[in-house]
Amino acid sequence: SQQGEEDPQALSIQEGENATMNCSYKTSINNLQWYRQNSGRGLVHLILIRSNEREKHSGRLRVTLDTSKKSSSLLITASRAADTASYFCATLDYGQNFVFGPGTRLSVLP
Amino acid sequence: EPEVTQTPSHQVTQMGQEVILRCVPISNHLYFYWYRQILGQKVEFLVSFYNNEISEKSEIFDDQFSVERPDGSNFTLKIRSTKLEDSAMYFCASSPGINSPLHFGNGTRLTVT
Repeated sequence: SQQGEEDPQALSIQEGENATMNCSYKTSINNLQWYRQNSGRGLVHLILIRSNEREKHSGRLRVTLDTSKKSSSLLITASRAADTASYFCATLDYGQNFVFGPGTRLSVLP
Repeated sequence: EPEVTQTPSHQVTQMGQEVILRCVPISNHLYFYWYRQILGQKVEFLVSFYNNEISEKSEIFDDQFSVERPDGSNFTLKIRSTKLEDSAMYFCASSPGINSPLHFGNGTRLTVT
């Protein structure tokens, strides 16, 4: 079964708008991480939120974590065309390895 | 900033041939991984490697796959007899600790014809 599931699968917004992506997971976690992937490139780590944290900020990124609902959200404020990419959440599975969801494809239109 | 490097960036091979994908992880990292991504789809875990042995492997990582860390710097993925469905992007990643962020290379695009 899928450990991390992001939604929506695809999101298209105008430059300057905020983008919100959600992630749900199934097991207890130590932390949850968000990654970004530009087309044809490797994944780049964006932010890590620990299970005892509820919110974390990094620049224009805001991540929330609700362990009671087993869900997380990634908010990108004041989006730019350069934010166009796929965004993935990742958590450790039972085998102690990171499992990635199918991702959200974000398109920011100029 | 140190980075994970992968070679080649693109490999074309015929079905049934063996391929070796190479990775140089970040030097002080202890955990190493291979993931693959079929075009536009999810990133799938293949195998993790720690302390010179496989820690975990997925159902995808069957007998045709093997990994090796031959010289303390390189980390290789070998596919013995490639199939058409092995065509994908293969990503190497490393991390300093089990719960730490993964650092990914830019991948090798494998095309099996």
